[in-house]
Amino acid sequence: NAGVMQNPRHLVRRRGQEARLRCSPMKGHSHVYWYRQLPEEGLKFMVYLQKENIIDESGMPKERFSAEFPKEGPSILRIQQVVRGDSAAYFCASSRGEPTEAFFGQGTRLTVV
Amino acid sequence: KQEVTQIPAALSVPEGENLVLNCSFTDSAIYNLQWFRQDPGKGLTSLLLIQSSQREQTSGRLNASLDKSSGRSTLYIAASQPGDSATYLCAVPSGAGSYQLTFGKGTKLSVIP
Repeated sequence: NAGVMQNPRHLVRRRGQEARLRCSPMKGHSHVYWYRQLPEEGLKFMVYLQKENIIDESGMPKERFSAEFPKEGPSILRIQQVVRGDSAAYFCASSRGEPTEAFFGQGTRLTVV
Repeated sequence: KQEVTQIPAALSVPEGENLVLNCSFTDSAIYNLQWFRQDPGKGLTSLLLIQSSQREQTSGRLNASLDKSSGRSTLYIAASQPGDSATYLCAVPSGAGSYQLTFGKGTKLSVIP
């Protein structure tokens, strides 16, 4: 049973480009969460999704960031027109439901140059 | 707003010592509490999940306790080994919803051979 799979593991983008981060939840998990870890900071909640629905996006920056979890395929976190301050580790987690144990992926480390 | 504090921020011990990591949280209306381990440049590994009705959980050399009323949890590591070197994170659900985890900044543990 594979764990939460995130790709790519490392992503380098120039300022102004788009970044797409992918997350495949654990088998049997229909709840996906995205968190961001800025350098020297704790993990911060961004968004909670279920299949085809955004349940809570209260932690997402108002502009340039969007997330989806389509009926088929992985969840996608999209960052448009990236800036240096977007450089961080982005983690995806999944669970069977709430409140149950969350399992995290290896993360995608985004570097904006 | 839930806040999580972990003390100490860093800890260095000789191999074989027993040690205690501390976590405190401000909102005691939680469903559960999770302890994670994060290795440098890696993802989060779930170590222990304590439900709000439990006082403690054990896994191998790890023992986590939970005192909801005082807003505290401890992670006890017995007979520490160099392989235990990592950052240990404590996370609790935020008051807004059980799915949204609030993390502490972690305790960076170094076990010296």
